[in-house]
Amino acid sequence: SQQGEEDPQALSIQEGENATMNCSYKTSINNLQWYRQNSGRGLVHLILIRSNEREKHSGRLRVTLDTSKKSSSLLITASRAADTASYFCATVKTQGGSEKLVFGKGTKLTVNP
Amino acid sequence: GAVVSQHPSWVICKSGTSVKIECRSLDFQATTMFWYRQFPKQSLMLMATSNEGSKATYEQGVEKDKFLINHASLTLSTLTVTSAHPEDSSFYICSAETDWWEQYFGPGTRLTVT
Repeated sequence: SQQGEEDPQALSIQEGENATMNCSYKTSINNLQWYRQNSGRGLVHLILIRSNEREKHSGRLRVTLDTSKKSSSLLITASRAADTASYFCATVKTQGGSEKLVFGKGTKLTVNP
Repeated sequence: GAVVSQHPSWVICKSGTSVKIECRSLDFQATTMFWYRQFPKQSLMLMATSNEGSKATYEQGVEKDKFLINHASLTLSTLTVTSAHPEDSSFYICSAETDWWEQYFGPGTRLTVT
């Protein structure tokens, strides 16, 4: 099964509200990353949180990591219409001596003006 | 910051033809680049890992003879979709890995096979 599963699958909020997206994973990790993808565009790296960190901030973004529950959350505060995008978490999978990112299915966030 | 470009951004080709997609790291060298495919409303799926100067490593289920990858320099990897069919229509995204193990993604290439 896939490493990194986000919920909810879709989230619609009003501008100014906070948006929280969750990600669960199955195996142990060294770090977990969050990405944003605008419709039809490539991915933009948002934030990386290491396994020994519990919380990390970047501007209006706050990421938490609970390794005991194998879960992470991404909080976007004071959302803006421009935050409308799909958000993916990704973890690293080691296979055959190489490391690769494995993405969750993503959460589609719509921020209504 | 690290910038990755892809060319072309979109391409339409006829069934049976081949299409080459380029991925370039513009301001850093990338020993490793990755190729992903994304179907509509789905997540990215890793297709292959491209290492400069060596053969690419393909994920299970990805045909290496159909998706030819060449990583001839530290700033360029190419993906060639050979004998394309409509089911190959997808959004192809590459990423390049920095020395400090961060991946930067290209803007993607929309391939439509008619």
